[in-house]
Amino acid sequence: KQEVTQIPAALSVPEGENLVLNCSFTDSAIYNLQWFRQDPGKGLTSLLLIQSSQREQTSGRLNASLDKSSGRSTLYIAASQPGDSATYLCAVKLGSSYKLIFGSGTRLLVRP
Amino acid sequence: NAGVTQTPKFQVLKTGQSMTLQCAQDMNHEYMSWYRQDPGMGLRLIHYSVGAGITDQGEVPNGYNVSRSTTEDFPLRLLSAAPSQTSVYFCASSQTSRGTDTQYFGPGTRLTVL
Repeated sequence: KQEVTQIPAALSVPEGENLVLNCSFTDSAIYNLQWFRQDPGKGLTSLLLIQSSQREQTSGRLNASLDKSSGRSTLYIAASQPGDSATYLCAVKLGSSYKLIFGSGTRLLVRP
Repeated sequence: NAGVTQTPKFQVLKTGQSMTLQCAQDMNHEYMSWYRQDPGMGLRLIHYSVGAGITDQGEVPNGYNVSRSTTEDFPLRLLSAAPSQTSVYFCASSQTSRGTDTQYFGPGTRLTVL
């Protein structure tokens, strides 16, 4: 059974710091992996989608990497800003399944 | 484009009542799905649809019904509400029928069952 784990559960950093959020999964037979952002009381916004054949994707200050063999993905946020404060979720899609399997998220606070 | 819209934003029900959560998308997406989000449980798939007229069960389908008569709409019906259905419900869509590309989520419906 695929399990997705995100560590740490919460993270507090000063503004301007570069940071890494971690996501690990137990079954390497994934189709793709997505990183989402969720603001309090809001829906999920897709940040980056990495296909299983890709190693990384970049969007602005965000860079996501994928290592299928080790069952890990990281989300790198450069020069963090208070507006980056949110919960970040990763989700994997197995090739044989229609569903996304979500991690429990990392709650990020960027202090001014 | 409005993207994925959900109504209502908030709802309080009494045990045994029924209701329908509405979801609509204007992106002509084939794949639509319903998730519930609970503290400590994460997001779990309730039902999904790969196109108009086609629906299937997800991980936690009991107590819920869905239908997909049009590409745009995917309502979720609670047949007889129970306190265990207190949750935040999200509708999502993606372009391909297998849901293999970017998933777009609605703003959610916060449901409380007393």
